[in-house]
Amino acid sequence: AQTVTQSQPEMSVQEAETVTLSCTYDTSESDYYLFWYKQPPSRQMILVIRQEAYKQQNATENRFSVNFQKAAKSFSLKISDSQLGDAAMYFCAYSTSGSRLTFGEGTQLTVNP
Amino acid sequence: SAVISQKPSRDICQRGTSLTIQCQVDSQVTMMFWYRQQPGQSLTLIATANQGSEATYESGFVIDKFPISRPNLTFSTLTVSNMSPEDSSIYLCSARYTTNEKLFFGSGTQLSVL
Repeated sequence: AQTVTQSQPEMSVQEAETVTLSCTYDTSESDYYLFWYKQPPSRQMILVIRQEAYKQQNATENRFSVNFQKAAKSFSLKISDSQLGDAAMYFCAYSTSGSRLTFGEGTQLTVNP
Repeated sequence: SAVISQKPSRDICQRGTSLTIQCQVDSQVTMMFWYRQQPGQSLTLIATANQGSEATYESGFVIDKFPISRPNLTFSTLTVSNMSPEDSSIYLCSARYTTNEKLFFGSGTQLSVL
C-alpha cells in the first residue's frame, strides 16, 4: 500500500524568508503524481503544486517549487519570500492515474512578521 | 482552476438525524471522491462516487452509514446517517479532472453533532 509521511508536524518561518517542508512516500509504482495542498483556517483545500513522476524537471509555481527525488522517494516543498498569507496546514499527497489521493499527516506552517 | 460547489458549508445537527451534502462540479470529471477530516487530523477517503452505480467504500466505511449517489458526471451527494457526536468532522468533496488529472476540492462542510 502507498504511504505518505510528513515528519514535521510544525514549522515556522520569518516573513520574506524561505522554508522547506519535507515529504517522503512509499510506492511500488513507476508512474504516479505527487501534490502539495494548502489548507488555511477556512478549511478549503487549495492545490499548490503538482509533479508527474515521469518528469525529471522539478515543478514550479511562482514562489513555490519542489525538490523531487524519485530514487529517494522524496518530495519537498520550498516556499520562497514567505508571506503572512502562506500560513496554513500543508498536506503532501500521492496518486496514480485515475485513482484517489493518499495524504500525509500535514505540516502546520506559521509565518512570523 | 476548477469550480466545485459544496453545500451546506456548515451545519449543527441533533443525534440520530441525517444530513445530505451536495457537490456540484463545473465540468466533466473522471472521478469524484468524498473525504472526512476529523478535528486536527489529515483527510481520510470515505468512498469513490461512481456514476450510475454503487459507490466504492474504503475499509471502515459502509453504505448504510454513508450512502452516496452520483446520478451524472458532475453531481454527487453524501448522506451522513443516524448521526452521533463522533461524526463531527469536516466532509470534503473532491473531483479529478479529465483534461489534466488534477484533483480539486470543494470548500468543505463543517458538521457538528450534538
